[in-house]
Amino acid sequence: EPEVTQTPSHQVTQMGQEVILRCVPISNHLYFYWYRQILGQKVEFLVSFYNNEISEKSEIFDDQFSVERPDGSNFTLKIRSTKLEDSAMYFCASLPGQGADTQYFGPGTRLTVL
Amino acid sequence: SQKIEQNSEALNIQEGKTATLTCNYTNYSPAYLQWYRQDPGRGPVFLLLIRENEKEKRKERLKVTFDTTLKQSLFHITASQPADSATYLCALGGGADGLTFGKGTHLIIQP
Repeated sequence: EPEVTQTPSHQVTQMGQEVILRCVPISNHLYFYWYRQILGQKVEFLVSFYNNEISEKSEIFDDQFSVERPDGSNFTLKIRSTKLEDSAMYFCASLPGQGADTQYFGPGTRLTVL
Repeated sequence: SQKIEQNSEALNIQEGKTATLTCNYTNYSPAYLQWYRQDPGRGPVFLLLIRENEKEKRKERLKVTFDTTLKQSLFHITASQPADSATYLCALGGGADGLTFGKGTHLIIQP
């Protein structure tokens, strides 16, 4: 069964550094998402992406964050200058297309900012 | 703002019994409500979706109800097994929209 994959599984970085988290959504899916989950807290929506542009973003998704689909398979989340509070699990998800209901989540990338 | 509350942070159930988890929400009228399972260190896994015009949905040992008047959904696992032990997340929304999740209920099925 097709799955969303994410790399790396764990990323450690120093405060102020840039990080790029990578996702390969399920092939032929059209909508892509990033969520984050701070340890012990709920899963929070960050951004959705469709047709090569952001379709929706939350208050969390400020100017420090950006997303990109650089080619036909990858979907990336960039954090420009990481802060301690960016430490969290970051989940990518994808949705087949308009009319579909269910998002499929990847296994996540654990980001640790020191 | 939208608020989702799941009945308890942890729920202990004896194997074979029915586990019932509650999701209450305010300040929102979702067209969909979804339930996900999350294991430690893993991403959410979709279980069931119920639409606002549906009262009940079933899938194998799982059942979801949706009461838009009470603004509540109940999630039942019948004949529970230790392998059902996980955190169960309620999420509002569906389709192309970003999902709003509750904090989850940690379910422990004891043999």
